[in-house]
Amino acid sequence: AQRVTQPEKLLSVFKGAPVELKCNYSYSGSPELFWYVQYSRQRLQLLLRHISRESIKGFTADLNKGETSFHLKKPFAQEEDSAMYYCALYGRGSTLGRLYFGRGTQLTVWP
Amino acid sequence: DVKVTQSSRYLVKRTGEKVFLECVQDMDHENMFWYRQDPGLGLRLIYFSYDVKMKEKGDIPEGYSVSREKKERFSLILESASTNQTSMYLCASSDQSRGDLGEQFFGPGTRLTVL
Repeated sequence: AQRVTQPEKLLSVFKGAPVELKCNYSYSGSPELFWYVQYSRQRLQLLLRHISRESIKGFTADLNKGETSFHLKKPFAQEEDSAMYYCALYGRGSTLGRLYFGRGTQLTVWP
Repeated sequence: DVKVTQSSRYLVKRTGEKVFLECVQDMDHENMFWYRQDPGLGLRLIYFSYDVKMKEKGDIPEGYSVSREKKERFSLILESASTNQTSMYLCASSDQSRGDLGEQFFGPGTRLTVL
């Protein structure tokens, strides 16, 4: 069964510090992993996806199939990064378009 | 620019009332979803639909039903609202025709309070 785990409900760092939001998954097939972000009073939106292997707003995430992880990283956090972050999994062969979300991590970046 | 709109931002209802939450998307997406978002529980899928008149149960369908009579509109129905259905409800859509099925586009949410 598909499962996404985000072990940290809350994460706080100071501006300029590195930040890592953890995500682990379980899926027997070939997964596609995503990070979604929700800024205060804004709608939930896609931040990045592992297949594109790109950096968005300074964030990167690498899919580690051996550790079944997809941690989100940024070397120097900014105050505007404060938001709720959700890791999500799409399993090829699963019901069309269905995503499995983790419970989310609320990131706070202090000035 | 994909637009997903929800009929209300805030809604207050009484226990036992029938509640309709409407969602409309303007990008001709096949897939539509209803989630509820609760602190500490994240996003939980209630129902989804991959075509007109088609629906699939998500993880927490109890107490809810859905209707999709037109491609652009997906309605969530609470037959008899209860206080434990107080929550933020998010609608989303995605494009089935593209290879990238993981990107969902979300509405602004409806905060429902059941008294």
